[in-house]
Amino acid sequence: AQSVTQLGSHVSVSEGALVLLRCNYSSSVPPYLFWYVQYPNQGLQLLLKYTTGATLVKGINGFEAEFKKSETSFHLTKPSAHMSDAAEYFCAQGGATNKLIFGTGTLLAVQP
Amino acid sequence: NAGVTQTPKFQVLKTGQSMTLQCAQDMNHNSMYWYRQDPGMGLRLIYYSASEGTTDKGEVPNGYNVSRLNKREFSLRLESAAPSQTSVYFCASSEGDRYGEQYFGPGTRLTVT
Repeated sequence: AQSVTQLGSHVSVSEGALVLLRCNYSSSVPPYLFWYVQYPNQGLQLLLKYTTGATLVKGINGFEAEFKKSETSFHLTKPSAHMSDAAEYFCAQGGATNKLIFGTGTLLAVQP
Repeated sequence: NAGVTQTPKFQVLKTGQSMTLQCAQDMNHNSMYWYRQDPGMGLRLIYYSASEGTTDKGEVPNGYNVSRLNKREFSLRLESAAPSQTSVYFCASSEGDRYGEQYFGPGTRLTVT
């Protein structure tokens, strides 16, 4: 069965520091990969997605992610954290059907 | 465009009561989904509708029923609420192809006492 693993349910960084949120997927077919962000008491918003083509994907708010097939990974990064980045982040995998498989989420805290 | 809307935003039920959560989208999407979100468990798919007139079970369908009323609307019904159904419920929609992103509503926070 397909699955998505997010390492670290809580990540804390200082404002201005690098943000790295980890995601590993498992899929027997070429995956389509997504990162979503959820701000407190809101629904999920799409940050970025990988379907085909360039493996480095840029999203909104300065985030980017790199698809690495050899490592089955799709880690999310941002060079410099901002207080407004504090939220929960979800990695998700599609591919075989129009359903998505979500990871369990990583709560990002940004310290001043 | 309003996107995906959900009603109500909050609801408290007693065990055994029933209720229907409403969802509507104005993006002319083919597919619609119901998820529940619980701490530490991410989002789990309850039911989905790939297209108007079809519905299928997801990962956690027990205790729920759905109706795809038309292309715009997809409702979720709890016939006899249980405390284990205390959760935040999200509706989402997508165009229906396998690489299209899903668009989410703001959620319904349900407490069953």
